[in-house]
Amino acid sequence: EAQVTQNPRYLITVTGKKLTVTCSQNMNHEYMSWYRQDPGLGLRQIYYSMNVEVTDKGDVPEGYKVSRKEKRNFPLILESPSPNQTSLYFCASSSRDTQYFGPGTRLTVL
Amino acid sequence: SQQGEEDPQALSIQEGENATMNCSYKTSINNLQWYRQNSGRGLVHLILIRSNEREKHSGRLRVTLDTSKKSSSLLITASRAADTASYFCATGNTASKLTFGTGTRLQVTL
Repeated sequence: EAQVTQNPRYLITVTGKKLTVTCSQNMNHEYMSWYRQDPGLGLRQIYYSMNVEVTDKGDVPEGYKVSRKEKRNFPLILESPSPNQTSLYFCASSSRDTQYFGPGTRLTVL
Repeated sequence: SQQGEEDPQALSIQEGENATMNCSYKTSINNLQWYRQNSGRGLVHLILIRSNEREKHSGRLRVTLDTSKKSSSLLITASRAADTASYFCATGNTASKLTFGTGTRLQVTL
């Protein structure tokens, strides 16, 4: 089944404790993205990748890092999480125009 | 920055009625897409309309695009309770960089 998976689905952590949210797709898509969704603000793109080793900033990249060492994986790294990064995070992949979204990761930073 | 803005923010209708939601955007586009999100879940692609198209249909969905007014509308005919969700328009000129609006919350009651 074609899908985008994210782990973990739920995470509660404390300020400053490094964390990684994994994202994997099995559709051999070149493009992958990370979004965060906050009430009243819709989805905002954090980072995106156009292929292996090619990444670029989205609209809200501050406080986040990404890497794309393999085509199928695109982890999101928070080196020192802060409470304002509490949000619902989505990974997405695409080969052309349509994006396929993962199920989301709900992150709470205390 | 938000490229798309949906209107209304919330819409409540009865089953069987039609639901219309609108999207306005700011810059020129190659295509415009509509996505659906059930509460707290990942977005699902509904339909894409290209800049040289004026209208497109998919099942009970009808999308129009007016590039001169920089606006699009999504019509859901004969709505069902299962159509209850948030609907987002998204614009972008590359597969990797989509900008989403803040969404319309549709509630369909029995």
